[in-house]
Amino acid sequence: AQTVTQSQPEMSVQEAETVTLSCTYDTSESDYYLFWYKQPPSRQMILVIRQEAYKQQNATENRFSVNFQKAAKSFSLKISDSQLGDAAMYFCAYRRATSGTYKYIFGTGTRLKVLA
Amino acid sequence: SQTIHQWPATLVQPVGSPLSLECTVEGTSNPNLYWYRQAAGRGLQLLFYSVGIGQISSEVPQNLSASRPQDRQFILSSKKLLLSDSGFYLCAWSVHRRLAGGSGANVLTFGAGSRLTVL
Repeated sequence: AQTVTQSQPEMSVQEAETVTLSCTYDTSESDYYLFWYKQPPSRQMILVIRQEAYKQQNATENRFSVNFQKAAKSFSLKISDSQLGDAAMYFCAYRRATSGTYKYIFGTGTRLKVLA
Repeated sequence: SQTIHQWPATLVQPVGSPLSLECTVEGTSNPNLYWYRQAAGRGLQLLFYSVGIGQISSEVPQNLSASRPQDRQFILSSKKLLLSDSGFYLCAWSVHRRLAGGSGANVLTFGAGSRLTVL
């Protein structure tokens, strides 16, 4: 069964600095999707960034970028120029791309604190 | 554009009482629908998902059930709540695979959540 592991329960970063959140996953599949979701104090889950496994290029969305290492099954999220509004729980998620697959598997999350 | 509505936002129920959480999606047809539970300080646990009307897949044996009476409606129920049912419940949807395509494909979109406290 596929699993997603986030080994950092909590991280802190100084405002304007850069922080990297780690995520590893276990799968025997070659085609899949990876996601990072943000859950602010409002608890609304918001998609941050998405990566397709067949694409070698790392996804980027403004200050958010990923380091996708397929062989190592690693998918880390880098937040540059951290802002107070980035403080939230961050969840890594995985989904197989195989036809007939519908489940999204989530990690346990990393709580990010941004220090002023 | 597509929107997802989930209610009630907050619910306090006594042990042994019934439960009904409702979720509807607008602006799309034949979505895949999901119910997740988030216990305090923990990750998201998939409870149920549905790929069509009347088609429910259960991930975790428990005191809960789900139904999909209409294409864009997903209901989470319980006949008798337990203390352990307390948590934050999230409904979500994704594009059905047959319709998937483009950069937005396969993204899971969540409702605002329902906080359930069982006393």
